[in-house]
Amino acid sequence: GQNIDQPTEMTATEGAIVQINCTYQTSGFNGLFWYQQHAGEAPTFLSYNVLDGLEEKGRFSSFLSRSKGYSYLLLKELQMKDSASYLCAVRDRYGQNFVFGPGTRLSVLP
Amino acid sequence: DGGITQSPKYLFRKEGQNVTLSCEQNLNHDAMYWYRQDPGQGLRLIYYSQIVNDFQKGDIAEGYSVSREKKESFPLTVTSAQKNPTAFYLCASSIDNGARTDTQYFGPGTRLTVL
Repeated sequence: GQNIDQPTEMTATEGAIVQINCTYQTSGFNGLFWYQQHAGEAPTFLSYNVLDGLEEKGRFSSFLSRSKGYSYLLLKELQMKDSASYLCAVRDRYGQNFVFGPGTRLSVLP
Repeated sequence: DGGITQSPKYLFRKEGQNVTLSCEQNLNHDAMYWYRQDPGQGLRLIYYSQIVNDFQKGDIAEGYSVSREKKESFPLTVTSAQKNPTAFYLCASSIDNGARTDTQYFGPGTRLTVL
C-alpha cells in the first residue's frame, strides 16, 4: 500500500524556523519531493531528495532518511509569504508515479 | 514562454452533463498527469500518460476519461458517472527520461463546480 503522513496544520512566527515532517510507506522509492502550494494555486517544486542526508537551498532545506521512511522540510527566517500548504510526494519504484501526502497548511503570524 | 496551460480557470456545469477540461504543454514533456484536489486534502491521481496514444488509470479513475492524441495535449472528461465532480483539477507534466531528478510541473488548475 501507499501511505504518506504529514501534520495537518502548523503555526509559526515571522522570522522563526519551522520543521514540517513527512513519513511514508510506499511500494517503492525513487525520490522524495517537496512542493509549496498557495491557496487556489498550483503546487510549485521546492526540493528533492533521493539519498540520505540534508539538501540546502537558501532558506529551505530538506532531509531524508530512507531506512526510517522519514523526511522533513526546514524553513528558516520565516516570512509572511511562506504561509501556504507544503506537500510531500514520493516517486514510486517505477519512477512514473508521484504519491502525494495530504499537505501541511502553514500559517506564519506577525 | 514554455509552460502548461489549463482552461478555463473556473467552470460551472449542471449535474448530469459531461464536461471536458483542457490541458496543453509546450515543454516537450513525454509524461502528463491529471490530479484531483478536494478542500484540505492532497492530490489524488486520476489518469496519467507516458506516451502518445497510451494512458493508465490512477487511483480514482472511475467517472473520468482521457485521450492523448498529441504529445502536447491531455484533455480530461468528467462524465455524469462521477458522483462528486466538484473539485480543483490539476494537470501536470514531466520529462520522464528516467532521471531521478525529474520533477512534475503543474498547470494553474481548473476549479469545477457542478450545480
